[in-house]
Amino acid sequence: NAGVTQTPKFQVLKTGQSMTLQCAQDMNHEYMSWYRQDPGMGLRLIHYSVGAGITDQGEVPNGYNVSRSTTEDFPLRLLSAAPSQTSVYFCASSAGGVGNQPQHFGDGTRLSIL
Amino acid sequence: GENVEQHPSTLSVQEGDSAVIKCTYSDSASNYFPWYKQELGKRPQLIIDIRSNVGEKKDQRIAVTLNKTAKHFSLHITETQPEDSAVYFCAASTGDMRFGAGTRLTVKP
Repeated sequence: NAGVTQTPKFQVLKTGQSMTLQCAQDMNHEYMSWYRQDPGMGLRLIHYSVGAGITDQGEVPNGYNVSRSTTEDFPLRLLSAAPSQTSVYFCASSAGGVGNQPQHFGDGTRLSIL
Repeated sequence: GENVEQHPSTLSVQEGDSAVIKCTYSDSASNYFPWYKQELGKRPQLIIDIRSNVGEKKDQRIAVTLNKTAKHFSLHITETQPEDSAVYFCAASTGDMRFGAGTRLTVKP
């Protein structure tokens, strides 16, 4: 099993550009989530999904969209990148349909917005 | 939503000493409390977790305690080693997980 795979690993964008961060898991996990990690602020929940076709907002959803068309994939879209979105983004998945199970994290995407 | 506070933000100990990290949470409905270790440039990895129906759990040198009445939980690391140096995050979940801001632990040889 590859676990949780995130692509790309690094990305530099210009302000106003859009892009999609990819996340895929091969563990048949129902629950998937996106976090951003900024220095001194821990991991903040952006969006999460309890199963295919179902998504919901976390703590810091503004500026981001998600969709969950399959169990395996949970892409995160930046609509119009802003410097405040410079961060490390982690995707995670867990068994069961809720987030109160051990979360498996991907390696992260390091995103810089100029 | 759930709010998790974590203290201290930095902790430095001598090798062989114990380290304690404390977290408080706001939502009494939270029922799952994991701890993650993150080494520099790596992904967070689960080291121990506890559920609301348990007061204490131990795994070798690591233990977690939970006080539901006071809404706080703690991570205890005994006989610390240099390889324990990392950032540690607590989290609490009612169904979606919220994390503390992290504690940078340094173990000096």
